[in-house]
Amino acid sequence: EEQLVESGGDLVEPGGSLRLSCSTSGFPFSTYEMNWVRQAPGKGLEWVSYIGISGTTIRYADSVKGRFTISRDNAKNSLYLQMNSLRVEDTAVYYCAREGGSLNFELWGQGALVTVSS
Amino acid sequence: SYVLTQPPSVSVAPGQTARIACEGNNIGSKSVHWYQQKPGQAPVLVVYDDSDRPSGIPERFSGSNSGNTATLTISRVGAGDEADYYCQVWDNTGDHYVFGDGTKVTVL
Repeated sequence: EEQLVESGGDLVEPGGSLRLSCSTSGFPFSTYEMNWVRQAPGKGLEWVSYIGISGTTIRYADSVKGRFTISRDNAKNSLYLQMNSLRVEDTAVYYCAREGGSLNFELWGQGALVTVSS
Repeated sequence: SYVLTQPPSVSVAPGQTARIACEGNNIGSKSVHWYQQKPGQAPVLVVYDDSDRPSGIPERFSGSNSGNTATLTISRVGAGDEADYYCQVWDNTGDHYVFGDGTKVTVL
């Protein structure tokens, strides 16, 4: 079974840092582009970041550029999101999402809750 | 940046057809994807490339896209279709993925 499992969500103070992980199984991770998508409480979906199969092509939403860093370890079948200088407005469920062949999100994890609050 | 506009809510009687619009400037020139999200769950892709269905998605879910409006159609709606639905496109001018604000479908 193809699976994405996020971990690392926590309560952190404004200005703090957190690292999310997404462990994958059931498919050849190294051949898929990956993304992070977030959803603030009671709000809609917001794309956060993209990484290509080799890790050399990376994109960020303007709202996180310069603060978040996406990375992957193909040997460990894992995706990461390093989040620095966290703000209250970064509070959200963060989903790991596998990209489909036509710039969509074909497989999602269950999400990890990040709460930024003092 | 590219903006997608969806109605906040759509209500439909059981067994009837729900239609959810997603408006964007010349959206007909883009590939539109649709997601279903039930409370407390992760989103699920239900239509991609305007009108294709992933494996396991019922034929009751269909899509179309032309001009400035893309539409997700759910036929023979049942209680299990109550969810939030989001449209999504790739904005190649900004190298960004864009989501609509979502539409809550309520089965009366």
